[in-house]
Amino acid sequence: QVQLVQSGTEVKKPGASVKVSCKASGYTFSTYGFSWVRQAPGQGLEWMGWISAYNGDTNFAQNLQGRVTMTTDTSTSTAYMELRSLRSDDTAVYYCARSLGYCSGTSCYTSYFDYWGQGTLVTVSS
Amino acid sequence: EIVLTQSPGTLSLSPGERATLSCRASQSVSSSYLAWYQQKPGQAPRLLIYGASSRATGIPDRFSGSGSGTDFTLTISRLEPEDFAVYYCQQYGSSLPITFGQGTRLEIK
Repeated sequence: QVQLVQSGTEVKKPGASVKVSCKASGYTFSTYGFSWVRQAPGQGLEWMGWISAYNGDTNFAQNLQGRVTMTTDTSTSTAYMELRSLRSDDTAVYYCARSLGYCSGTSCYTSYFDYWGQGTLVTVSS
Repeated sequence: EIVLTQSPGTLSLSPGERATLSCRASQSVSSSYLAWYQQKPGQAPRLLIYGASSRATGIPDRFSGSGSGTDFTLTISRLEPEDFAVYYCQQYGSSLPITFGQGTRLEIK
């Protein structure tokens, strides 16, 4: 069965960086991509971006461009999301989610999210 | 960016009743690339519906989706106790960024 298992809770100071991992199992890793979604306390869902596990193509939400990096490691079937220059409003639960997708030229397509990780709480506080 | 507006914000119903949740898009959602998710407290969202009307694997048939263009609906035909949760619509595809509605909270009356 498909499983996405994320790394544990993080507490960071403003200005620091955080890297969250998402280990996949139960399917062929490179045939899907990963979206990352965050949810601030008591708030809705915000898409952060997507990465192809096949060729590393990425697409990011404009408000996070320059602060976020997404990578994958096919040898360990793990996806990573790194967010830099953390601010207090980055405090949220961060989810990875499996989704098909592709990029062609300057445009990308990302499908719905059929499996989700359990979430990683990142708290940014001085 | 496509803005999704869900209504109502909160829906209070009793088990056994029918629930109708609405999702309206600020512009047409191409190829009905519209999904619905259920989220319970402390849990990750769960995919219910994709392509506006296709049920995800393992989802009971009391859940159904309909609509096209800018107006979409999630219907739960007979509410079970485990259906009380928050529901989000999402548009996906090539109209990036992917966006979610603000959610509808379905609570027990």
